Amino acid sequence: DTGVSQNPRHKITKRGQNVTFRCDPISEHNRLYWYRQTLGQGPEFLTYFQNEAQLEKSRLLSDRFSAERPKGSFSTLEIQRTEQGDSAMYLCASSILWGQGATGELFFGEGSRLTVL
Amino acid sequence: QKEVEQDPGPLSVPEGAIVSLNCTYSNSAFQYFMWYRQYSRKGPELLMYTYSSGNKEDGRFTAQVDKSSKYISLFIRDSQPSDSATYLCAMTVTGFQKLVFGTGTRLLVSP
Repeated sequence: DTGVSQNPRHKITKRGQNVTFRCDPISEHNRLYWYRQTLGQGPEFLTYFQNEAQLEKSRLLSDRFSAERPKGSFSTLEIQRTEQGDSAMYLCASSILWGQGATGELFFGEGSRLTVL
Repeated sequence: QKEVEQDPGPLSVPEGAIVSLNCTYSNSAFQYFMWYRQYSRKGPELLMYTYSSGNKEDGRFTAQVDKSSKYISLFIRDSQPSDSATYLCAMTVTGFQKLVFGTGTRLLVSP
């Protein structure tokens, strides 16, 4: 399977604990995005990378959230001191930069579901 | 008020019906408009995208954009049970980064 891969698929944690999600994008894609989706809502933009550079962060991304993409390959999203309001599906997507012979379409992974008790 | 409004449904139709899904938006700077389909416990997948106003057709799917009314539509002809999913509209000012999604409309097509 050469699609976007996310792990773990489901994480249950207690309030106050730290969690980390990993995203492996499609290999030739230079852009990587994180979105958050809560029940009954559409995905909300969190942040995106072009290669290893984090180009934009949403105001939704509080200081407890940090994302990295070392060497422009896989990415991690860490949430420190989790709160019940962090319970959501965290979606990763990747794309080729628009204009490089591609539409820039985002390909989403299946998401990592976080439940904070 | 949200930038993108979409009726959450559910919308229930019989197989073979024509389905109309709609979104309204408030940001006149949006230029790229997309429709994503999301099956339960899966990530969204792109169905169609259009730039600026106009229509675009792909098989049983037709997307329409009316920028003057800030209104976009997705029509599904000859709907099938396999079309049962949540349909998300999304839009952006430039390219595909930083999409702004609607809440999604849940569609149920019964055999």
